[in-house]
Amino acid sequence: EVQLVESGGGLVQPGGSLRLSCEASGFKFTSYWMTWVRQAPGKGLQWVATMKQDGSERYYLGSVQGRFSISRDNARNSLYLQMNSLRDDDSAVYYCARIKGERGYLYSQGMDVWGQGTAVTVSS
Amino acid sequence: DIQMTQSPSSLSASVGDRVTITCRASRSIASYLNWYQQKPGKAPKLLIYTSFTLEGGVPSRFSGSGSGTDFTLTITSLQPEDFATYYCQQTYNTPPTFGGGTKVEIK
Repeated sequence: EVQLVESGGGLVQPGGSLRLSCEASGFKFTSYWMTWVRQAPGKGLQWVATMKQDGSERYYLGSVQGRFSISRDNARNSLYLQMNSLRDDDSAVYYCARIKGERGYLYSQGMDVWGQGTAVTVSS
Repeated sequence: DIQMTQSPSSLSASVGDRVTITCRASRSIASYLNWYQQKPGKAPKLLIYTSFTLEGGVPSRFSGSGSGTDFTLTITSLQPEDFATYYCQQTYNTPPTFGGGTKVEIK
């Protein structure tokens, strides 16, 4: 079964750090670009970061650039999101997702496999 | 950033109704427009990609059309399991942006 399972969310104070993990199974992880998308409570979807199969390209939402870092360990079929200097407006459910097709970050065919999400709450 | 505007933001419909949701881009995105369905407490699900191609396993009552700046998602005969929130997303330019969502509720 094709699956993504996130972990690592929780409650953190403003200025703190968290590392999210996403473990992939049921497909060839090394063949896909992977991405993080978040959804604040009661709000819509927001793309956060994307990484190429071999890690040679990484892209970030402007408001997280310099604070968040996306990485992957292809040997462990895992994707990560290191989040530093967290702010209240980073509170959201964070989803890991697979980008469909071979075109990659742009001109893509969307995100065809999603995890269940992990909740991050930034609050004092 | 390219702004994606969906309308309406919500609608009420009955089982069997034809439903149309529109998505407008602030500038041309060719056909790089995807549609997702999200049910409460669940992850989004890809329905349609590159404007009109149905994702595998998605019922044929869903269809998409459009290019440039104006796109539509149509559900020809609404089923009970279709009550959800629908999002469009452009992947033509960075950052890839989503519309604000359209909530389809039971009338």
